[in-house]
Parts: sequence; C-alpha cells; structure tokens
Amino acid sequence: AQRVTQPEKLLSVFKGAPVELKCNYSYSGSPELFWYVQYSRQRLQLLLRHISRESIKGFTADLNKGETSFHLKKPFAQEEDSAMYYCALSGMNRDDKIIFGKGTRLHILP
Amino acid sequence: DTGVSQDPRHKITKRGQNVTFRCDPISEHNRLYWYRQTLGQGPEFLTYFQNEAQLEKSRLLSDRFSAERPKGSFSTLEIQRTEQGDSAMYLCASSLDTFVAEQYFGPGTRLTVT
Repeated sequence: AQRVTQPEKLLSVFKGAPVELKCNYSYSGSPELFWYVQYSRQRLQLLLRHISRESIKGFTADLNKGETSFHLKKPFAQEEDSAMYYCALSGMNRDDKIIFGKGTRLHILP
Repeated sequence: DTGVSQDPRHKITKRGQNVTFRCDPISEHNRLYWYRQTLGQGPEFLTYFQNEAQLEKSRLLSDRFSAERPKGSFSTLEIQRTEQGDSAMYLCASSLDTFVAEQYFGPGTRLTVT
C-alpha cells in the first residue's frame, strides 16, 4: 500500500536549534518525494522535492531508500519556520497522484 | 494571474442540501485536482482533470459527489444531499502536464454541514 507516515503531530524547537521533521513512506517502486508547507493563513505550497536536490529556506531533505525515509532538516531554526509541514509522495508516471502524510506542526520557540 | 482561486471560501449548509464549489486554475495549467482535507489529516486526493477529461476518481468520491471541467478551464465540485461527514476543507490545485509537475494550491473552500 502507498502510504506516508509523519510520526510527530507537533514538534517544538527553540530558535537557533536544529530541526528534523521525520517522514517515512511505503511505496512499491521508486517514488518522487516532496515536502509541502502551509504558513498561518496561507495556502499550501511546495517547499522542496527530491528530484530538484535544492535547499530552500535553509531546509534540505535526503531520500534514504534503505530506510524509506525523507526527513526534512534545517541546521538553525528561525521563528518564521513555524508552520504545518506535509511530506508527500507521487509515482513517476505522469498520471500518478500525490499522497500526503498527516502533517507535523513545527513550533519555533523564542 | 494571481494563482489558483476558489469560491466560496466558506460555506455553511444544512444536512441534505446541495452545494457547489468553483475552482479557477492558473490559466496555462491544463491539469486540475480536487482534494479534501479533514481536521488532523493531510489533503486526500478526490479527482483530477486533464483539460476537460476527468481521468481519475478516488473511491472517496461517492455517488453524491460530481466534478466537471466543461471547457478545460474552471472546474466545479458538487455535493448532493450533504451529510455531516462531508464537513471539510476542499482544496483545488493545478499544474502543467509535465513529468511530476509541481501542483499549485488554491486557498480552499471550508464546508460546514450542520
């Protein structure tokens, strides 16, 4: 079954501390992995995706096929990082839909 | 173009009534998606369109739900005989028709069924 698991509903981190949002997936094949973010009162938007291998707003995510994980990391948290973060996956076919995890709320403490 | 828009933003209706939501995608995007999001959950796929053709429907989309995209531009999602369990945020997204294209989301329509 295709599934995305985000084990933490809420993660509180002090400003300046490292952040790691966990994401594990189940997929029969090689998926594309994404992180979406939703800031307060804003719409859901793409933060980064594995295929791009970019660092966005200081965040990076490494795909670990052995552990089927795609954890989101940032070395130094900033207050503006407080948001809801969703890990998601899609197949590699053009018609494959995106499957989202339940999300983790990241709260940066001052 | 200001991105994907949805109308209305909020809808309160009584159980048993019909409701219709509208989504206007980014103009050059030929793919359009509908998702439902309930409290504590991520968005769940409902259906998607390639131009005017509805290519896939989730089993979440019961017979009371119907979606259209008549001219390949805006789309409507209708729920007939609403039930309290239909209360949710309904999200629309659009994308180009390319390999694993980025989806751009609208602000959503929050439906409350009383």
